[in-house]
Amino acid sequence: DQQVKQNSPSLSVQEGRISILNCDYTNSMFDYFLWYKKYPAEGPTFLISISSIKDKNEDGRFTVFLNKSAKHLSLHIVPSQPGDSAVYFCAASAMNNDMRFGAGTRLTVKP
Amino acid sequence: DAGVIQSPRHEVTEMGQEVTLRCKPISGHDYLFWYRQTMMRGLELLIYFNNNVPIDDSGMPEDRFSAKMPNASFSTLKIQPSEPRDSAVYFCASTVSGRALNEQFFGPGTRLTVL
Repeated sequence: DQQVKQNSPSLSVQEGRISILNCDYTNSMFDYFLWYKKYPAEGPTFLISISSIKDKNEDGRFTVFLNKSAKHLSLHIVPSQPGDSAVYFCAASAMNNDMRFGAGTRLTVKP
Repeated sequence: DAGVIQSPRHEVTEMGQEVTLRCKPISGHDYLFWYRQTMMRGLELLIYFNNNVPIDDSGMPEDRFSAKMPNASFSTLKIQPSEPRDSAVYFCASTVSGRALNEQFFGPGTRLTVL
């Protein structure tokens, strides 16, 4: 039972353009959402998060948007850089540290 | 600072053999998590510990899987007997209560191949 879904397994974007990665969830108890970035042969690293009391959180080139009514969040990267090429995992939790991950989206930023 | 350490990085074994994966969390972290990554299901939480005590093992696929945390600096995930469908990358992660609890630090993973 996938409670967190990333329906696009891959995304390709030109350098300098915006990358938009999407994530949907089904559990209305989730109240904290995160994005992790993973390079090959490394573990995922935390990128950005958002609490359910907010609808937007920004950190440099990365912005996460949360639409609670639609149970949808997205990660915007602008401008995209080749070094952003990685697999991005969306994750969600419900206060008890039991974090659920999506299957990941592989982003390729072309120079 | 040393991050989360996992060993071995790669493990190739034959079906039916016992496999033991090891993890050393970041010093001072009191939460430890084991995940499995597959192409089909992405990252799945298997089990997590708080202060060395297992809190939730509902993600452990079946009785062939077991995990222990004998002290704050060491955990093992054991598969006995192993099967080809267990082939995956297994990650260990840790975090500390008091910070953003879900910002976990991951190890590099162990790539397990069961032939």
